This record gives sequence, C-alpha cells and structure tokens, in this order.
Amino acid sequence: AQKITQTQPGMFVQEKEAVTLDCTYDTSDPSYGLFWYKQPSSGEMIFLIYQGSYDQQNATEGRYSLNFQKARKSANLVISASQLGDSAMYFCAMRDLASGGSYIPTFGRGTSLIVHP
Amino acid sequence: DTAVSQTPKYLVTQMGNDKSIKCEQNLGHDTMYWYKQDSKKFLKIMFSYNNKELIINETVPNRFSPKSPDKAHLNLHINSLELGDSAVYFCASSQDPGQPQHFGDGTRLSIL
Repeated sequence: AQKITQTQPGMFVQEKEAVTLDCTYDTSDPSYGLFWYKQPSSGEMIFLIYQGSYDQQNATEGRYSLNFQKARKSANLVISASQLGDSAMYFCAMRDLASGGSYIPTFGRGTSLIVHP
Repeated sequence: DTAVSQTPKYLVTQMGNDKSIKCEQNLGHDTMYWYKQDSKKFLKIMFSYNNKELIINETVPNRFSPKSPDKAHLNLHINSLELGDSAVYFCASSQDPGQPQHFGDGTRLSIL
C-alpha cells in the first residue's frame, strides 16, 4: 500500500490565485514528519516546508502553508498568490520509523502544477 | 558555495560498463542519501548513510554499491550497467535522519 498519496497528477491555477495540492499519508508511527518539495523543469529538488506530527500549529513559509489535518491523515500544501515561477512538480514526502529502526523517507508520485498568466 | 554537488551531471555509457557518481556536501550534515528518479518522476530512496554508517539499504540490486569515505562524501558505484538503470540519480543530505533534505542537481544516466 502506498504510504503517500497525491491524487492530483496535474493542476492548473491562474496567476495570483491560491492553489491547494493534496497529500494523504499512512503510518502507524506516532512521531513522523511531512515534507513538501518542488522540482522545476530544470530538475533540481527544492525543500519547501516541514510539519512534524506533534507540531500544534500548521507550518508556514512565506507563500507556502501546510494544511495539516492529523485525524484525516492529510497534509495539503497551499500556495497563495501563485506566480509563474511556481509552475513545477510538487512532491509530498514523509519520514517515519521503519522496522529496522531507521527513518525512511517516502515520496508521493507528485503533482504537476501549471500557473497560467 | 554549492551545498550538495554531484558529478557528473550527465553520464552516457554502454550496457555492461561500470560507472561511478560522486557526491559531496559542505553543509556539515551527518546524513546522506542516494535516490533514483525514473522516467515517470517517481523518486525512490536507495541508500542512506549516517556518520559514514549505512542505515538504509532498500531492495537495490547488489550491482549498486555506495561508499562513504567521510561524512561529507557519498559515492555510488554501479557495476554491469543495464538498460533499466537509465534514470536521474539524486544525492541529498540532511542534518540527521528524518530532517529536511538538501538535494544535488542530479545525474542523468543514459544506457545505450
């Protein structure tokens, strides 16, 4: 079973509007972490935002915020005031404790976001 | 200035050859990783080292052998390259296991 599910293969948004990219996760580890990364067409992977499972408040970093709903096991990324440069693949990722005692990072399959002028 | 650098950026080679990809980080991080990203953009962890010790080894053929001479370096050697090895390989590092990762720019490996 997939540990990270991103149900939107592609999303479109108008410049200056907000967009939400969905991510649901599955883990039995009570101490886990959730990440979002951006991969522009140039190929590099850029860390955007992190949410720990025990964090009381939703994480925010500039125009990025994470809508963390623990009971629903969802960690959606909200990008406010979209810019053309936000067009990229976005990956949701989780780290949780594997049976061997190591934190294993698992990535979702990504959502391709296109921002229209 | 570069945080995580990997070389080469492109690698084109014949089936059956042996090749290496080098990775270095100057962030002072304890943990380094190798990922494979396939043509559908799926990113899968291959290996991780923490303080030069192997901590993650995910169902990777034993033709792939990582080596960490020190905390700042994690190299990947691949023997007897196969067509299915064609992918982008990313090196990454983090302060310790489970923390946000900084990625290198990737090495695009193409097998002829």
